[in-house]
Amino acid sequence: SQTIHQWPATLVQPVGSPLSLECTVEGTSNPNLYWYRQAAGRGLQLLFYSIGIDQISSEVPQNLSASRPQDRQFILSSKKLLLSDSGFYLCAWSEGGGELFFGEGSRLTVL
Amino acid sequence: QKEVEQNSGPLSVPEGAIASLNCTYSDRGSQSFFWYRQYSGKSPELIMFIYSNGDKEDGRFTAQLNKASQYVSLLIRDSQPSDSATYLCASPSRSSNTGKLIFGQGTTLQVKP
Repeated sequence: SQTIHQWPATLVQPVGSPLSLECTVEGTSNPNLYWYRQAAGRGLQLLFYSIGIDQISSEVPQNLSASRPQDRQFILSSKKLLLSDSGFYLCAWSEGGGELFFGEGSRLTVL
Repeated sequence: QKEVEQNSGPLSVPEGAIASLNCTYSDRGSQSFFWYRQYSGKSPELIMFIYSNGDKEDGRFTAQLNKASQYVSLLIRDSQPSDSATYLCASPSRSSNTGKLIFGQGTTLQVKP
C-alpha cells in the first residue's frame, strides 16, 4: 500500500533563516506531488505541484521554492523565511488525478 | 467568486442528529467532488468522493451532488462527538490536467454530547 511521509513535524525558525521540508511517497511510481499551505483558520492554498522529476509548477509568487530530485521525493525550501511563511505545510500525492492523499503535515512558526 | 465555497460555521448539532454540510462551486463543468475531514492540528483525510448526480452512501455518510444547482452536500447521520472536525469540500481544477484540487475554506462541525 502507498504511504507518504513528511518531516519535520514541527519547527520554529527565526525570520531570515532557511527552510527545508521533505516529503517522500512509497508504494507508487510517478505520482503527482503537491505542496499546500494552510494558514491559521484558513483554507488550503496550493503552492507547488509536480507531475514528474524536475517538472514543477508554482501556483503563487513567493519566496518559497520546490524541487523533486527523485521520483517520489518532494522538497520545499526557502532561502530566507518571512513572518508570513508561518503555517501548516502539507505534502500530498495523487495518481494523476482524483483524490489526494496527504502527509502528516509540518507546522512552521517563524518568529 | 471562489471556485469552491463553504460556510465556515461553526455548525453545531446535538449528538445523534443529522449534520448537513454544504458546498457550492462556480465551474459548471466540474465533474467530481471530494470531502475531506480534518481534525484540529492534523492533516486532511479523504472520507468520500462523488462523480454522479444524486446520492452516494457510505456508512453514516451520504454525499449528494446536484450539478444543475452546482452544489454538493455531505450528510452525517447519527452524529457523534468524534465527528467534530473541519470538513473540506474539493474539486479538481479544470485549468490543467494535473489533478490539483481546489479546496473550499472548510466548515467546522461541533457535535455536542
